Amino acid sequence: DGGITQSPKYLFRKEGQNVTLSCEQNLNHDAMYWYRQDPGQGLRLIYYSQIVNDFQKGDIAEGYSVSREKKESFPLTVTSAQKNPTAFYLCASSGLGQANTGELFFGEGSRLTVL
Amino acid sequence: DAKTTQPTSMDCAEGRAANLPCNHSTISGNEYVYWYRQIHSQGPQYIIHGLKNNETNEMASLIITEDRKSSTLILPHATLRDTAVYYCIVRVLPGGKLIFGQGTELSVKP
Repeated sequence: DGGITQSPKYLFRKEGQNVTLSCEQNLNHDAMYWYRQDPGQGLRLIYYSQIVNDFQKGDIAEGYSVSREKKESFPLTVTSAQKNPTAFYLCASSGLGQANTGELFFGEGSRLTVL
Repeated sequence: DAKTTQPTSMDCAEGRAANLPCNHSTISGNEYVYWYRQIHSQGPQYIIHGLKNNETNEMASLIITEDRKSSTLILPHATLRDTAVYYCIVRVLPGGKLIFGQGTELSVKP
């Protein structure tokens, strides 16, 4: 089945450690996105990529890094520089062609807790 | 990307129509209106989108005012499973970012 897969679903990390969240899609989508969600809040855009080997900062990119070496993969690294990393992280993808509706397909999310 | 304003919360009786308003008074001519919903701790789900004409699909109807400054999402017969946070977003196509606001928390009650 086509879809977007995030792993791990739950992750615990000690302060000062980097952690990488995986996001893979087999929808042949050009664009991929990472959002962060805090309790009772909407989604905030961290990074997005519209093409392989290129990506742009969103509204809250500080303390995060990404790579887009393959079309189907867009991993997010939460670095030790991120002051409040405990959150729910959502990855999404969408097609970019004119025929596309622009709909974003979301993964099930990764919940990161810093101990 | 234009900003949207939605009520924080709404209640609806099961079986009744749920009408969720959204204000996007600064929308530009090439921005589409999108609606998503998020059930607790899951990824958001696409509902519907439109540019200026009213749209309907199997989930909902989208009514956009003639001046495009506001829209209403209609769930014609709300069920308990429609309880979720509903987000109204405006976005340029293709490739525009989706910027999520706070959304409306819809509670469908028996």
